[in-house]
Amino acid sequence: AQRVTQPEKLLSVFKGAPVELKCNYSYSGSPELFWYVQYSRQRLQLLLRHISRESIKGFTADLNKGETSFHLKKPFAQEEDSAMYYCALWSNYQLIWGAGTKLIIKP
Amino acid sequence: DAMVIQNPRYQVTQFGKPVTLSCSQTLNHNVMYWYQQKSSQAPKLLFHYYDKDFNNEADTPDNFQSRRPNTSFCFLDIRSPGLGDAAMYLCATSRGAGDEQFFGPGTRLTVL
Repeated sequence: AQRVTQPEKLLSVFKGAPVELKCNYSYSGSPELFWYVQYSRQRLQLLLRHISRESIKGFTADLNKGETSFHLKKPFAQEEDSAMYYCALWSNYQLIWGAGTKLIIKP
Repeated sequence: DAMVIQNPRYQVTQFGKPVTLSCSQTLNHNVMYWYQQKSSQAPKLLFHYYDKDFNNEADTPDNFQSRRPNTSFCFLDIRSPGLGDAAMYLCATSRGAGDEQFFGPGTRLTVL
């Protein structure tokens, strides 16, 4: 069955430290993967998707088919990165969502 | 700005009293989605429309119904809300299947 796993419910790092939000998936075929973000009191929005290969707000995510992972990384965290992050997989005409990771950036 | 709008932002209803949540979009997107999101959980898809084609998720309770009278509007009807239906309800749109989803701000439903 298709599944998305985000093993960390909460991740807390200091400003300026590297950040890695983990996402693993279970899918037979070529996955379409997304990271969505929800900042405090704002609507859920797309951060990036793997097919675009873009870096958004300093974040990147590389699809690793061998490890079935799509971890989100940023080399230097900023306080404004504090938010809820969801990894999602497109499958059977819908998004399969991970449980989310709350990222807190400490000053 | 083109966007997804949800009304009301906050809705309080009584146990068993029907309620309707609305969503409108100015993006002219073909696909519209309704999600339920409970505290500290991921969004859970209730329904989606590809244009006028309605798709109901297998585990969406019969208590939940939806209407899409035209491209711009979509409604979520909860016929007999229970305490367990208290949640944030999110509307989203996308141009097509697998495209970026644009979310509304949500309607927070309280059931007394």
